[in-house]
Amino acid sequence: GAVVSQHPSWVICKSGTSVKIECRSLDFQATTMFWYRQFPKQSLMLMATSNEGSKATYEQGVEKDKFLINHASLTLSTLTVTSAHPEDSSFYICSADGDRGTTYNEQFFGPGTRLTVL
Amino acid sequence: LAKTTQPISMDSYEGQEVNITCSHNNIATNDYITWYQQFPSQGPRFIIQGYKTKVTNEVASLFIPADRKSSTLSLPRVSLSDTAVYYCLVVGGQNFVFGPGTRLSVLP
Repeated sequence: GAVVSQHPSWVICKSGTSVKIECRSLDFQATTMFWYRQFPKQSLMLMATSNEGSKATYEQGVEKDKFLINHASLTLSTLTVTSAHPEDSSFYICSADGDRGTTYNEQFFGPGTRLTVL
Repeated sequence: LAKTTQPISMDSYEGQEVNITCSHNNIATNDYITWYQQFPSQGPRFIIQGYKTKVTNEVASLFIPADRKSSTLSLPRVSLSDTAVYYCLVVGGQNFVFGPGTRLSVLP
């Protein structure tokens, strides 16, 4: 249980185009989902926190107009990278807040989406 | 948010026990200690979580001293497939803050 999927797993796009990444909780409902970005050989950096039915909360330095987040249902959050540029190339990972009853504030992570902007 | 400090890298050989220690001097009363494993181009995978003393599951043990200012992840008899980055997090709310992690290399 507690599986999170992401689609696509890998995307290549041209500079200036927009790319949408989906994050789904497959077997549980997630009130809160998180979006991270990870550059090669670096750690995960939280970009934003997404709550179902409300606006996302962005971390300092993350442009909300460039990284559009929509959390329309309890099982789906989307991240749209608008007008992507090569510097946006990165590994994007989502996670969902879950409760398996035995641990505290556990996050279940998706497999990640590798974005390459040419 | 409590900051964590752990070694940047470690090497080990197959079959050995590996202990990775994490320092979290300003851990708060309500914080839990959580460890994740990450393979290249994959999302982090939950390993173990604890509050105090010792926690053991099928893959690892977590030792937490009484003052809770540090914790040690113990991996028994590692194999090549345990080569990964291991992250220690102190979790007290919704936001998870990832440090640089420990890059473990298991050698044959």
